[in-house]
Amino acid sequence: GAGVSQTPSNKVTEKGKYVELRCDPISGHTALYWYRQSLGQGPEFLIYFQGTGAADDSGLPNDRFFAVRPEGSVSTLKIQRTERGDSAVYLCASSSVPMSALKTGELFFGEGSRLTVL
Amino acid sequence: DQQVKQNSPSLSVQEGRISILNCDYTNSMFDYFLWYKKYPAEGPTFLISISSIKDKNEDGRFTVFLNKSAKHLSLHIVPSQPGDSAVYFCAASAGRGATNKLIFGTGTLLAVQP
Repeated sequence: GAGVSQTPSNKVTEKGKYVELRCDPISGHTALYWYRQSLGQGPEFLIYFQGTGAADDSGLPNDRFFAVRPEGSVSTLKIQRTERGDSAVYLCASSSVPMSALKTGELFFGEGSRLTVL
Repeated sequence: DQQVKQNSPSLSVQEGRISILNCDYTNSMFDYFLWYKKYPAEGPTFLISISSIKDKNEDGRFTVFLNKSAKHLSLHIVPSQPGDSAVYFCAASAGRGATNKLIFGTGTLLAVQP
């Protein structure tokens, strides 16, 4: 499809396990974002990539969270030693312009990956 | 510290009437505001935005009003349609520079009754 694709759509894991969530942005979009939406909350910024580099990772909650985008397209969010508090929907979004030029609101979100940590 | 607040978790409106969704913010450095709409099991989709240099922006049935002195914005939908039933998120751009984050509110669930 032409939209942002996220896999898996649902992931159930046990506390302490390692999890990877994948995002395939819209083709040609150089900017990629990860957000996390906990129950009853709005999306919360985690990290922003411009090309291959993480331009802003200030939203990552701690060092158990890491994200990569080695070829400037697909990105993987990695969570080590998962905790029950990590349970949330992880949203990926992409845009064709850098974050500093994001004045049109054109962030295109995927459907999210729902993570449940038991 | 919630910088963007949507104090009404839900709103119910009759089809054909006006829906008014409200949003308050605390950070005076915000210079751009957006509304996103989210259906169940889908990602948020951009609806409408407004720059801090304006006080109104209109797009079809959707109008966003900004009151900077009150740090308040609102989204008006008129006439409301059943297909408008969704969660609406207010978001703000967190400042100038190379890394403008979007700060989201907690959302308002709009139900438009036929």
